[in-house]
Amino acid sequence: GAVVSQHPSRVICKSGTSVKIECRSLDFQATTMFWYRQFPKQSLMLMATSNEGSKATYEQGVEKDKFLINHASLTLSTLTVTSAHPEDSSFYICSASDGTQPQHFGDGTRLSIL
Amino acid sequence: GENVEQHPSTLSVQEGDSAVIKCTYSDSASNYFPWYKQELGKRPQLIIDIRSNVGEKKDQRIAVTLNKTAKHFSLHITETQPEDSAVYFCAASGRTSGSARQLTFGSGTQLTVLP
Repeated sequence: GAVVSQHPSRVICKSGTSVKIECRSLDFQATTMFWYRQFPKQSLMLMATSNEGSKATYEQGVEKDKFLINHASLTLSTLTVTSAHPEDSSFYICSASDGTQPQHFGDGTRLSIL
Repeated sequence: GENVEQHPSTLSVQEGDSAVIKCTYSDSASNYFPWYKQELGKRPQLIIDIRSNVGEKKDQRIAVTLNKTAKHFSLHITETQPEDSAVYFCAASGRTSGSARQLTFGSGTQLTVLP
């Protein structure tokens, strides 16, 4: 089946650091990738949607200058959390789609900002 | 936009009993409804999905029903086992973004199967 690889799985860093998370589709072309954030005991909240070669579309309330998304190829999307602060600590999960359902999820990245 | 409500938030059942989780959605244009099982710290795992052109789908102990008129869908797990314990999320396809439809998730149900 379709495989999505997400790295790193865990990041612990100091406040003010920028963190990059990669999401790769290994065996299909991901024309669309989605980035979600999940706080403890809460649901997945869509942050942004990226289509290959286009600018990402951000959900209301998500700062595009803080969460930089790049989807330069059909197999790779990156999310960069710039100048991260403790309130950005969360579980970030990507998913990828070739235009059909279902989406395929990565394993997630646990981000902890000290 | 799409709004998905999920109930109950917690559900405890005895091993062997059935569990039912219900969701409602608001966007009549939604046409795809997946259910996910998520264990702590892991990715959501698709367990079953249904499209709007069918009313029911079954896969072994798991079934999903869809009522388009009432805009609600339900997950049914029969003969529950302790390994079914997890958080379950429903979702509905919402707005289209480029080539893929976005998913809106319900708030989740913590299912506990008591041995």
